[in-house]
Amino acid sequence: AQTVTQSQPEMSVQEAETVTLSCTYDTSESDYYLFWYKQPPSRQMILVIRQEAYKQQNATENRFSVNFQKAAKSFSLKISDSQLGDAAMYFCAYRSAVGGAQKLVFGQGTRLTINP
Amino acid sequence: DGGITQSPKYLFRKEGQNVTLSCEQNLNHDAMYWYRQDPGQGLRLIYYSQIVNDFQKGDIAEGYSVSREKKESFPLTVTSAQKNPTAFYLCASSHVGGQGKHFGPGTRLTVT
Repeated sequence: AQTVTQSQPEMSVQEAETVTLSCTYDTSESDYYLFWYKQPPSRQMILVIRQEAYKQQNATENRFSVNFQKAAKSFSLKISDSQLGDAAMYFCAYRSAVGGAQKLVFGQGTRLTINP
Repeated sequence: DGGITQSPKYLFRKEGQNVTLSCEQNLNHDAMYWYRQDPGQGLRLIYYSQIVNDFQKGDIAEGYSVSREKKESFPLTVTSAQKNPTAFYLCASSHVGGQGKHFGPGTRLTVT
């Protein structure tokens, strides 16, 4: 079974600075998808960024980018120019590319605090 | 606007009672999912359904039941057999084989 591990329960960063959240995963599959979700205090889950394992290029969405290291099974999230609205729980998630159902396996989450 | 509705936002029940959580979507998604979230943990899959009148158990299905009589609706019943029912429950939907999953706003269930 696949597992996802986020080793940083909490992180904090000064507003406008850059922060990197770590995620590692374990799988024997070669084709899969990785995701970062944000859960603000409203508890609504919001997709931040997605990476297909077959793509070597790291995904980028505005201030959010990932460092995908397939051999190391590592998938970190970098947030540049941190803003107060980035404060939230961040979850890393894995999905197999086999099968149609989008069954996601989540990490434990990292609580990100932005200091003004 | 398309989206997922979960009601109510907060739900309180006495131990030993069954309770049903509502989830409705108007995104025309075929697949729907129920996740449970506990403090300090990520989301865990309870049940999922890829088509009407069919559903599969997730990782923590014991003590829960679902139905999928309509494409738009996927209610979750928390039965008295669920040992620790107090949690935050999230419903989600997606196209089968699609890349993105939409989540509802969640229901906080407290059982005393």
